[in-house]
Amino acid sequence: AQSVSQHNHHVILSEAASLELGCNYSYGGTVNLFWYVQYPGQHLQLLLKYFSGDPLVKGIKGFEAEFIKSKFSFNLRKPSVQWSDTAEYFCAVKTPYGQNFVFGPGTRLSVLP
Amino acid sequence: NAGVTQTPKFQVLKTGQSMTLQCAQDMNHNSMYWYRQDPGMGLRLIYYSASEGTTDKGEVPNGYNVSRLNKREFSLRLESAAPSQTSVYFCASIGLATYEQYFGPGTRLTVT
Repeated sequence: AQSVSQHNHHVILSEAASLELGCNYSYGGTVNLFWYVQYPGQHLQLLLKYFSGDPLVKGIKGFEAEFIKSKFSFNLRKPSVQWSDTAEYFCAVKTPYGQNFVFGPGTRLSVLP
Repeated sequence: NAGVTQTPKFQVLKTGQSMTLQCAQDMNHNSMYWYRQDPGMGLRLIYYSASEGTTDKGEVPNGYNVSRLNKREFSLRLESAAPSQTSVYFCASIGLATYEQYFGPGTRLTVT
């Protein structure tokens, strides 16, 4: 079945550590890729998105992601995390089929002070 | 400019009861979505409406109905609630130029 997978269910890091969260999708054709963040008790907010062009995209709060078409991957990175980055992170794909969006299961990030 | 609003914020239903979740957006967006969020499963699309007057099924439509009342409003109805529908429900809208989804604050529904 076509899907979006995220490799890590829960990641625990200390402040200043580097972060990489994996995301893979299984749709062929043209897709649009997104990372959303959900802080505790809040709704989802867009971190960054990829449509076309430079496969390295920069988002808010120092996050970036790299689209690797051959690997069907869109991994999220941050060089140095802060305690305030504690949240759940969702990868999402707008599929080639109409206005349909598919979200990954999410990765919970805990940053220890 | 309130963005996306949802009512109610919390609801407890008994099995078999019905209810309608309301969603409205004031960003003049064409497309609107209903998702449910369950632990470990991310967000799953229930229904979406690409434009006023159209609706389409998502990944998990069974047990739900929707109405796109006008461009602003998109409601989700549970005709006969079941415990499996206990979840947090999010409404979202997108502008076609960016495909960025704007989410509402969510409705936490418990079915006993």
